[in-house]
Amino acid sequence: AQKITQTQPGMFVQEKEAVTLDCTYDTSDQSYGLFWYKQPSSGEMIFLIYQGSYDEQNATEGRYSLNFQKARKSANLVISASQLGDSAMYFCAMREGPYNTDKLIFGTGTRLQVFP
Amino acid sequence: EAGVAQSPRYKIIEKRQSVAFWCNPISGHATLYWYQQILGQGPKLLIQFQNNGVVDDSQLPKDRFSAERLKGVDSTLKIQPAKLEDSAVYLCASSHQGASYGYTFGSGTRLTVV
Repeated sequence: AQKITQTQPGMFVQEKEAVTLDCTYDTSDQSYGLFWYKQPSSGEMIFLIYQGSYDEQNATEGRYSLNFQKARKSANLVISASQLGDSAMYFCAMREGPYNTDKLIFGTGTRLQVFP
Repeated sequence: EAGVAQSPRYKIIEKRQSVAFWCNPISGHATLYWYQQILGQGPKLLIQFQNNGVVDDSQLPKDRFSAERLKGVDSTLKIQPAKLEDSAVYLCASSHQGASYGYTFGSGTRLTVV
């Protein structure tokens, strides 16, 4: 069964506007981690932001914030003030378990295109 | 610190040929992962090593794929014989228990099977 769901295959946003990329997850673990990665056309996976299941506050990293709603099992990525360089694939991933050596499970991704 | 190194960057082979990919993780990272990313999909774990032992290879097609990490450092993933559906990007990642978020990915090897 798929455990990470990204329902938006593609999103468009105008430069300088904010955009929200959706992610829902399913797990029976109490301790887990949620990640967002950016994958430009060059192929590398760039870490953006992390949220632990026990973290009470939403994570923020510069222009990236994670809207974590535990009861809804959602972990949406918010990008503020979009830039042309934000155009890329974005993947939500979940670490099943408490350890940084547990495997990551990825969603299918959302392609974000930023236009001038 | 140096990142996760992978080679080659690109590879084109004919079906039924064999191919090997190499990965050198970040120094000190005991855990190493190989992911397969088919075009339009998210990465899927093929195999996970802890030092030189296999932790999870449940999704590795063992009739054609093999991987090793003999000295607990670098790793090789092999496909023999390759099929058209093996065309994908093969990503290597490593992680360390003590790191804040753990995971670092290499740039990947893009395999095309014709």
